[in-house]
Amino acid sequence: AQSVTQLDSQVPVFEEAPVELRCNYSSSVSVYLFWYVQYPNQGLQLLLKYLSGSTLVKGINGFEAEFNKSQTSFHLRKPSVHISDTAEYFCAVIRLRRANTGFQKLVFGTGTRLLVSP
Amino acid sequence: GAVVSQHPSRVICKSGTSVKIECRSLDFQATTMFWYRQFPKQSLMLMATSNEGSKATYEQGVEKDKFLINHASLTLSTLTVTSAHPEDSSFYICSAPFRREGGVSSYNEQFFGPGTRLTVL
Repeated sequence: AQSVTQLDSQVPVFEEAPVELRCNYSSSVSVYLFWYVQYPNQGLQLLLKYLSGSTLVKGINGFEAEFNKSQTSFHLRKPSVHISDTAEYFCAVIRLRRANTGFQKLVFGTGTRLLVSP
Repeated sequence: GAVVSQHPSRVICKSGTSVKIECRSLDFQATTMFWYRQFPKQSLMLMATSNEGSKATYEQGVEKDKFLINHASLTLSTLTVTSAHPEDSSFYICSAPFRREGGVSSYNEQFFGPGTRLTVL
């Protein structure tokens, strides 16, 4: 079974500062990796995903993430945050199957609350 | 992109009543939909997988008689919380998968509804 660990439950940061939200996963098979953002009382919006190829993935709103297979990590970064980035961020994985039967379930981390203050 | 809607966005009900939440895929067909529950400041917990034309598959520990799921068409799944109690108060989110081609294999990108806030008094 796979699992996703987000060690930081909350990350406070000042506006225009850089930020990194950590995500580690464990899986015995290959996975696809995702970061989602959730604003208060809303559903989840996909920020970015890693499927294959370049390990540095760029997403929406200026976010990027780097896949590190040896460290089984997929940390999310932004060089300069805005107040509007205050939200909950979830890392998630889908386990790849040899046969594409059925729908793969997303496995979520526990989430990291990013708090951006002026 | 694919859009998923949920209705209602908020509902307040009395203890003992039943509440129905709708999840619709607006611009694509979804033979499968997922229902999640989210407690305050916690992650999403998968409750069940809704399958069009067949019974839903419930995750371990989720009472199927408590949370009735009906996937009546290729664009609509409903979750009914029966005989709701205050401990059922939560944020319920649905998602619908959309097949994408990945680098190694295809996968199902999930599109999430905006969620429904249920408060049981």
